[in-house]
Amino acid sequence: KAGVTQTPRYLIKTRGQQVTLSCSPISGHRSVSWYQQTPGQGLQFLFEYFSETQRNKGNFPGRFSGRQFSNSRSEMNVSTLELGDSALYLCASSTGGVDQPQHFGDGTRLSIL
Amino acid sequence: EDQVTQSPEALRLQEGESSSLNCSYTVSGLRGLFWYRQDPGKGPEFLFTLYSAGEEKEKERLKATLTKKESFLHITAPKPEDSATYLCAVQTTGKLIFGQGTTLQVKP
Repeated sequence: KAGVTQTPRYLIKTRGQQVTLSCSPISGHRSVSWYQQTPGQGLQFLFEYFSETQRNKGNFPGRFSGRQFSNSRSEMNVSTLELGDSALYLCASSTGGVDQPQHFGDGTRLSIL
Repeated sequence: EDQVTQSPEALRLQEGESSSLNCSYTVSGLRGLFWYRQDPGKGPEFLFTLYSAGEEKEKERLKATLTKKESFLHITAPKPEDSATYLCAVQTTGKLIFGQGTTLQVKP
């Protein structure tokens, strides 16, 4: 069974630009969550989508947004990039039950110059 | 405030030297506690889910246990391939809250 696929794996942008990251969940999974991982803050929850609707949201500014398509694939967009947005962005999918484990992709490494 | 704290931050063991990693938590409405393993350059890999105090799960050299306020990941006779960062996360309403992780190094 194929795992969670994230593209691209690496991305370099400059301040002020915007970026779109993509995530394909495990087949049959309807929930997709996004996390930001940095050495100082660890893994922090951005938002979760379930059946094309944002179900939960973390404490990130509105520059971070996402969406989910009817095939459960998800995209995350970050606008007006700042140096502090440099991080590993991880996507995780699950069946959608609140007590079900999330399965992670290998992330997109975003570097802001 | 919901919080997850892992200790120690780093642990160095000799091959075969058993030890335990700790995850303490304060959350309202615990829906589950999860352990993950993360290798450099990779995403976290799911290991265990624990739902209620007293529950235990085992997988090869790893055993996870849960009390009302903490969880332990016991590693028995570790091998160098067990070297990784181990993450604990708790599921509350709507999101997973992660600890900072314990980086384990097992030397041959």
